[in-house]
Amino acid sequence: QAVVTQEPSLTVSPGGTVTLTCGSSTGAVTSGHYPFWFQQKPGQAPRTLIYDTTNKHSWTPARFSGSLLGGKAALTLSGAQPEDEAEYYCLLSYSGPRVFGGGTKLTVL
Amino acid sequence: EVQLVESGGGLVQPGGSLRLSCAASGFTFSGYWMNWVRQAPGKGLEWVANIQRDGSAKYYVDSVKGRFTISRDNAKNSLFLQMNSLRPEDTAVYYCVAPTYWGQGTLVTVSS
Repeated sequence: QAVVTQEPSLTVSPGGTVTLTCGSSTGAVTSGHYPFWFQQKPGQAPRTLIYDTTNKHSWTPARFSGSLLGGKAALTLSGAQPEDEAEYYCLLSYSGPRVFGGGTKLTVL
Repeated sequence: EVQLVESGGGLVQPGGSLRLSCAASGFTFSGYWMNWVRQAPGKGLEWVANIQRDGSAKYYVDSVKGRFTISRDNAKNSLFLQMNSLRPEDTAVYYCVAPTYWGQGTLVTVSS
């Protein structure tokens, strides 16, 4: 099965902008992988931020956005807040099976 | 309000079996693929299995093929995961996931 790669950790300053990426061992990530992005805070279940590359959930703060960038899926956070410190996971679809990335621990500091 | 409530987790010996259930409400259950996702203690998320809207297609992560079976009952808005030949490495919180909604999870511990 495919391997999905994410940055293990990133740091962003409060109010700053950061981009998390999600790559695939099979080649470029496309809209056909229907990229999802999830946020998980310690002790909580994950929640969906972005689905199908760019779509936001009703609870997704406007400062989060999804895109395709340089052959990868990307999650951009513009105007980071302290409450955005969390683990972020991407998920890609491979025509049936799904694969998660290893997660990115985002620190707001 | 969408709700996904998992049940059936617990402590089981290696080689044993468990059946997880997920009760869904607040959305048209039969209209969506459903997934099981797990998270081992202190580890990342791992997709385990999913099932087509009518149950006609099912997919599994390689590590559970032949041991786990996903199923659904659309009349009862329920999702299931039958887990056989359990191994210590199956120890995890198991989440029921509609495409964008998550349950709170149920803990499965495989230990002697």
